Amino acid sequence: DADVTQTPRNRITKTGKRIMLECSQTKGHDRMYWYRQDPGLGLRLIYYSFDVKDINKGEISDGYSVSRQAQAKFSLSLESAIPNQTALYFCATSDTRDTTYNEQFFGPGTRLTVL
Amino acid sequence: QKEVEQDPGPLSVPEGAIVSLNCTYSNSAFQYFMWYRQYSRKGPELLMYTYSSGNKEDGRFTAQVDKSSKYISLFIRDSQPSDSATYLCAMSTMNSGYSTLTFGKGTMLLVSP
Repeated sequence: DADVTQTPRNRITKTGKRIMLECSQTKGHDRMYWYRQDPGLGLRLIYYSFDVKDINKGEISDGYSVSRQAQAKFSLSLESAIPNQTALYFCATSDTRDTTYNEQFFGPGTRLTVL
Repeated sequence: QKEVEQDPGPLSVPEGAIVSLNCTYSNSAFQYFMWYRQYSRKGPELLMYTYSSGNKEDGRFTAQVDKSSKYISLFIRDSQPSDSATYLCAMSTMNSGYSTLTFGKGTMLLVSP
């Protein structure tokens, strides 16, 4: 089984709809991240959480919110989806005991299309 | 200017060629330098990391860091079709006791048989 799972893997929605992307991990890591990837723009950090009670905004948090329900679960919500939120979304995890280069482990991604 | 610059490619080479992938950066606080490889329809995976200036070799792959020039490179020798992927450089800095990663845009590499 995959260590970092994301659901759904693909989603098509309409402008104005609320949508939630979910991430679960079995790696036992305490740090979790949400990124979006766009052609020509690379990976950009949306939100990150270093433990259940810690939530931090990343580079592009406007229009998004997150919830850390448990150490193993981190959800990303789009309260009112808009077309420019069409992108590939990745969840990642890392271990706080790694105090060096902070290796991150990525899920398989969710392809979101907002019409 | 973005903190990390990386040519998106695509870079097309024949099998067996030596490949050079590069990134430049502007933030002198970056301490760790990584290369992630991302296959189509997959999440990125760590390929190599380096800390100080100099070279680090792992099989056909060599990572090189020049902190004085703020320039990092990944060399692939004897490239194989299975090396076809997007390569993302990433850099780590300590921020209030925590570290986050800043990624380059990624370079798409195509190795033809």
